[in-house]
Amino acid sequence: GAVVSQHPSWVICKSGTSVKIECRSLDFQATTMFWYRQFPKQSLMLMATSNEGSKATYEQGVEKDKFLINHASLTLSTLTVTSAHPEDSSFYICSAPTAGHTEAFFGQGTRLTVV
Amino acid sequence: RKEVEQDPGPFNVPEGATVAFNCTYSNSASQSFFWYRQDCRKEPKLLMSVYSSGNEDGRFTAQLNRASQYISLLIRDSKLSDSATYLCVPYPVDSSYKLIFGSGTRLLVRP
Repeated sequence: GAVVSQHPSWVICKSGTSVKIECRSLDFQATTMFWYRQFPKQSLMLMATSNEGSKATYEQGVEKDKFLINHASLTLSTLTVTSAHPEDSSFYICSAPTAGHTEAFFGQGTRLTVV
Repeated sequence: RKEVEQDPGPFNVPEGATVAFNCTYSNSASQSFFWYRQDCRKEPKLLMSVYSSGNEDGRFTAQLNRASQYISLLIRDSKLSDSATYLCVPYPVDSSYKLIFGSGTRLLVRP
């Protein structure tokens, strides 16, 4: 079946630095990918929609200048958390719908810890 | 109003038990649903798609009640490995294909 690969699976960074997370669709093309964030014991919250070849669309309350999204090819979307702070520590996860949008596949997630 | 409402649980059941979760949804235009399971600190994994009145896959049965706007998931002969959070997700009614997740229902199956 379709596979979405996310990297890294975990990262620890210092406050003020930036972290890039990659999401790749391995055996299908994804013109759209989605980025979610999940805090402990909370639900997955949609952050933004990544659109290949155009700007991402962000959900209300998500700072576009802090969470930079680039979708440069049909198989790769990246999320960069800029100037990370401890409150950005969370589980970040991407997903991509298959052609026909009958199913969405999720990356393995990235656990970000900002110290 | 939330798109879906689920009892957060946890539902604590012994191995072999039958357990059922309900999920109520607010958008009457929703036609199809997904049930995902999510293990702690892992990505959600699709358990079942429900496109009509219901679906059955082995020990898992989903039923959709459009009149009352709820969807249920029944798990028979619970296994320890069924312990997870179960998420009810409506198929988007617009063209965005955004999947909006609720908090889910946590299931704990004990030996």
